Amino acid sequence: GQNIDQPTEMTATEGAIVQINCTYQTSGFNGLFWYQQHAGEAPTFLSYNVLDGLEEKGRFSSFLSRSKGYSYLLLKELQMKDSASYLCAVPQAAGNKLTFGGGTRVLVKP
Amino acid sequence: EAQVTQNPRYLITVTGKKLTVTCSQNMNHEYMSWYRQDPGLGLRQIYYSMNVEVTDKGDVPEGYKVSRKEKRNFPLILESPSPNQTSLYFCASSLRLAGGIDTQYFGPGTRLTVL
Repeated sequence: GQNIDQPTEMTATEGAIVQINCTYQTSGFNGLFWYQQHAGEAPTFLSYNVLDGLEEKGRFSSFLSRSKGYSYLLLKELQMKDSASYLCAVPQAAGNKLTFGGGTRVLVKP
Repeated sequence: EAQVTQNPRYLITVTGKKLTVTCSQNMNHEYMSWYRQDPGLGLRQIYYSMNVEVTDKGDVPEGYKVSRKEKRNFPLILESPSPNQTSLYFCASSLRLAGGIDTQYFGPGTRLTVL
């Protein structure tokens, strides 16, 4: 089986930084995805990490440590529109099945 | 425009009445998948398909059927819906990679209520 854990909810102030952690267990690693999902909408792709280290994409960065089974998504210069759920997902079964964490709801306050 | 479409977007039905939710993609993706999303449980994979005529169970396949007769279409069939299948359903598609699957493109979702 595969377990993926993320915090349920986080609150931050506009302009601040928030870090969303994700820990996972897998028998074979085939990368890790982060998706953003606004309420009532479909998830949209944010990042994909397959090697250790930090990947930066504008205000969003994602970090991976395969040895620790750990990833985080870093959101900088928070904007109100960043209020959404952030989903960590890990492929399993030779990379063909996709298991999602429960998602972290981020609330950005003025 | 590259997209994944689902129909219907909203459906209220009664227990036991067979229904089909259609899913279509125009990106020539090999991989397609169905997920359900429930409060507190996140997104869970129901079935996936690696290519035409190739389907396999996800984590919660009970009560569902799928078929993949054409590359672009991947319908989800509920032969005898029950109230515990009330949920928000998403179809998704992606390319296949050597080591697995690529970024998932999601449809807009189908909100199903079974009374």
